[in-house]
Amino acid sequence: DAGITQSPRHKVTETGTPVTLRCHQTENHRYMYWYRQDPGHGLRLIHYSYGVKDTDKGEVSDGYSVSRSKTEDFLLTLESATSSQTSVYFCAISLGQFRSSYNSPLHFGNGTRLTVT
Amino acid sequence: TQLLEQSPQFLSIQEGENLTVYCNSSSVFSSLQWYRQEPGEGPVLLVTVVTGGEVKKLKRLTFQFGDARKDSSLHITAAQPGDTGLYLCAGGGRTGAGSYQLTFGKGTKLSVIP
Repeated sequence: DAGITQSPRHKVTETGTPVTLRCHQTENHRYMYWYRQDPGHGLRLIHYSYGVKDTDKGEVSDGYSVSRSKTEDFLLTLESATSSQTSVYFCAISLGQFRSSYNSPLHFGNGTRLTVT
Repeated sequence: TQLLEQSPQFLSIQEGENLTVYCNSSSVFSSLQWYRQEPGEGPVLLVTVVTGGEVKKLKRLTFQFGDARKDSSLHITAAQPGDTGLYLCAGGGRTGAGSYQLTFGKGTKLSVIP
């Protein structure tokens, strides 16, 4: 079973401060994703990575940056947190059952609940 | 822009009843996935369907992919309290931004009352 650990699980921060969320996987899956989940919006893709140092933007990438210096770690940074970034953030890996990554099912972590005051 | 509309948004039923949840779009998807999410946890994959008209069964859950690959349904027979959760559908294909990604619906929140 693919293991994903997100840290921290909960965080409260003030507007304007930088915040970094970490996602760690225990297997060498190539594709990793960051989503945010908000009531009324569902899951929306922020950024994704298709390998070490290879990342791309999703549909709601403004105000976020990512880094992937090792296969197992994918970091999400809120450069200057705003109240609109209060959300639950999920990391996911692609299980790669299909040739195309967008058809392959995702395995999710248990999320980080971030509150920006 | 690819949109997946799920209905109903909320559903509260008695234990033992049957129910159907729908996932509709005007776009064609190359695959359709269903997930269930419980409070405080991430979504967990239930099934992936890839062929138009495909039907898959998972115990009391029956999943169908529309012939035109634009819609899907999830039918639960004799619902149990353990079926309670948020059901999400996700379609794989080209997004409005031109990239190929999974697009998620907003979910159906199911409560099964004992």
